[in-house]
Amino acid sequence: SQKIEQNSEALNIQEGKTATLTCNYTNYSPAYLQWYRQDPGRGPVFLLLIRENEKEKRKERLKVTFDTTLKQSLFHITASQPADSATYLCASGGSSYKLIFGSGTRLLVRP
Amino acid sequence: DVKVTQSSRYLVKRTGEKVFLECVQDMDHENMFWYRQDPGLGLRLIYFSYDVKMKEKGDIPEGYSVSREKKERFSLILESASTNQTSMYLCASSLVQTDTQYFGPGTRLTVL
Repeated sequence: SQKIEQNSEALNIQEGKTATLTCNYTNYSPAYLQWYRQDPGRGPVFLLLIRENEKEKRKERLKVTFDTTLKQSLFHITASQPADSATYLCASGGSSYKLIFGSGTRLLVRP
Repeated sequence: DVKVTQSSRYLVKRTGEKVFLECVQDMDHENMFWYRQDPGLGLRLIYFSYDVKMKEKGDIPEGYSVSREKKERFSLILESASTNQTSMYLCASSLVQTDTQYFGPGTRLTVL
């Protein structure tokens, strides 16, 4: 079955460093991948979308890559700040209305 | 900015009660979705609707029903609440073409 996997262990980094989160997909080829941020007790908020024909997308301190050979997307936050601490969700989409979500990776940025 | 609102942030109900969760979006989006989110399981799609009065089952529709009588409003109904339906419920909406989903703040439902 179609599956999206994210590292369930929290990522703990020092302020100012680059955070890199991984999203792997299996058994299908999504047309695009999306990344969302979710704060505790709140709904996810859309951050970035990258299509299968795009290698890389940037928005301010955020960068996302899409490697169809490795079946993987990497999400980077450069110059990370404590305010970046949250759970980040990867989601894939294709021909239907539905998104398949990963279970998310929690990021903790220490001051 | 797109705004998706949900009728309650927190709800406590008893086993067997009928529960209504309401969601309203203000951006004229075609698609609306109901998810539940549980620790370690991520977001799981319960139902979605691509037009007024149109609905499709998601991955875990058992024990739930939905209603979409108006474009901006999508309701999730638990006909007879059970303790295993204790969860965070999230509503989302999207335009047909872009597929980016805009989420509401969530309703944390506890069934005792």
